[in-house]
Amino acid sequence: AQKITQTQPGMFVQEKEAVTLDCTYDTSDPSYGLFWYKQPSSGEMIFLIYQGSYDQQNATEGRYSLNFQKARKSANLVISASQLGDSAMYFCAMRGLGDSWGKLQFGAGTQVVVTP
Amino acid sequence: DAMVIQNPRYQVTQFGKPVTLSCSQTLNHNVMYWYQQKSSQAPKLLFHYYDKDFNNEADTPDNFQSRRPNTSFCFLDIRSPGLGDAAMYLCATSRDYGDAKNIQYFGAGTRLSVL
Repeated sequence: AQKITQTQPGMFVQEKEAVTLDCTYDTSDPSYGLFWYKQPSSGEMIFLIYQGSYDQQNATEGRYSLNFQKARKSANLVISASQLGDSAMYFCAMRGLGDSWGKLQFGAGTQVVVTP
Repeated sequence: DAMVIQNPRYQVTQFGKPVTLSCSQTLNHNVMYWYQQKSSQAPKLLFHYYDKDFNNEADTPDNFQSRRPNTSFCFLDIRSPGLGDAAMYLCATSRDYGDAKNIQYFGAGTRLSVL
């Protein structure tokens, strides 16, 4: 069975600083995908970034980067230069190739509050 | 422009009164998913459609049903809502199942209250 663990229930970060959100996973699938989503208080789940298990390089999307350490089974999200609008819940999720229906397994989430 | 649209954004219903939530997409994706998300929890998959092929999660209560009359629309029917069904309901779509990079795009959600 696949499992996603986010150990930080909440964190505060000052505007313009970088923040790292932890995510570890467990799977027996040789091929899998890792995703990060942002959910503001309005409720919409916003896709941020994707990392494939065979990707050689860490994924980056603007201010978001993924620190992928395959041997340690971790996929931490780094947000650089935090903005007030980054305040939200952040979910790490994964999908294994064995999940033939595309089912995403979500972590419990990390609540981020950006302060001025 | 929103690509996955959920209506209404907020829905209040009475205990036991059937309610329908709707989702539409402009992405022409094959797969549509319904998730239930209770307060401070991760989303939980209820079921999904691949085209017209319906796939139910094993632990989804019978009280929850779904319809997909065409590619663009999918409905979530709650036949007899209980207080425990109050939650955010999220619709998502993805192009296919085909590979591990199967990005799901979510709508803004419908927040359901049961009185």
